[in-house]
Amino acid sequence: KAGVTQTPRYLIKTRGQQVTLSCSPISGHRSVSWYQQTPGQGLQFLFEYFSETQRNKGNFPGRFSGRQFSNSRSEMNVSTLELGDSALYLCASSPFGTGELFFGEGSRLTVL
Amino acid sequence: KQEVTQIPAALSVPEGENLVLNCSFTDSAIYNLQWFRQDPGKGLTSLLLIQSSQREQTSGRLNASLDKSSGRSTLYIAASQPGDSATYLCAVSTTGYSTLTFGKGTMLLVSP
Repeated sequence: KAGVTQTPRYLIKTRGQQVTLSCSPISGHRSVSWYQQTPGQGLQFLFEYFSETQRNKGNFPGRFSGRQFSNSRSEMNVSTLELGDSALYLCASSPFGTGELFFGEGSRLTVL
Repeated sequence: KQEVTQIPAALSVPEGENLVLNCSFTDSAIYNLQWFRQDPGKGLTSLLLIQSSQREQTSGRLNASLDKSSGRSTLYIAASQPGDSATYLCAVSTTGYSTLTFGKGTMLLVSP
């Protein structure tokens, strides 16, 4: 069974641009969540989607948004990029009812 | 607000030693606790999941315990190997959904 797939793996953007990251969950998993990892703050929860509905949202500005499609694939978007948005963005999927998360390899975003 | 602390922040041991990593959390009303491993530049690999009703879980050379009343969990690694070198992260869920609160991790180095 394929794991969680994130694309792109690496990307470089400049301040003010926007970026869209994609995540394909493990087959059968309907919950997808997103996390930001930085050296200073560690891993922080961004948001979670279940059956195309945002179920929970972390404490991030409105520039960070996401969505989930009917096939459970998810995207997150960051608009008006700032230098501080440079981070590893991790996506995780979870099978219904277990609470266990399985993470992808992440998308490393560098903002110049 | 849930806070997770991991001690020590870094640990260096010779191959073959048994070792214990510690995790503490401030709110004992957790749904589950999960231990992850992260290799440099990679995503997270799930090691063990302990539901709130459980006291411990074992997988191979790994054993994780949970004491909800004291807000503590330990990850025991037996007969450590150089391949165990990685950062180990503890995360708790208070909702049963995919909103995890992570510790900052313990960076483990096992020398041959």
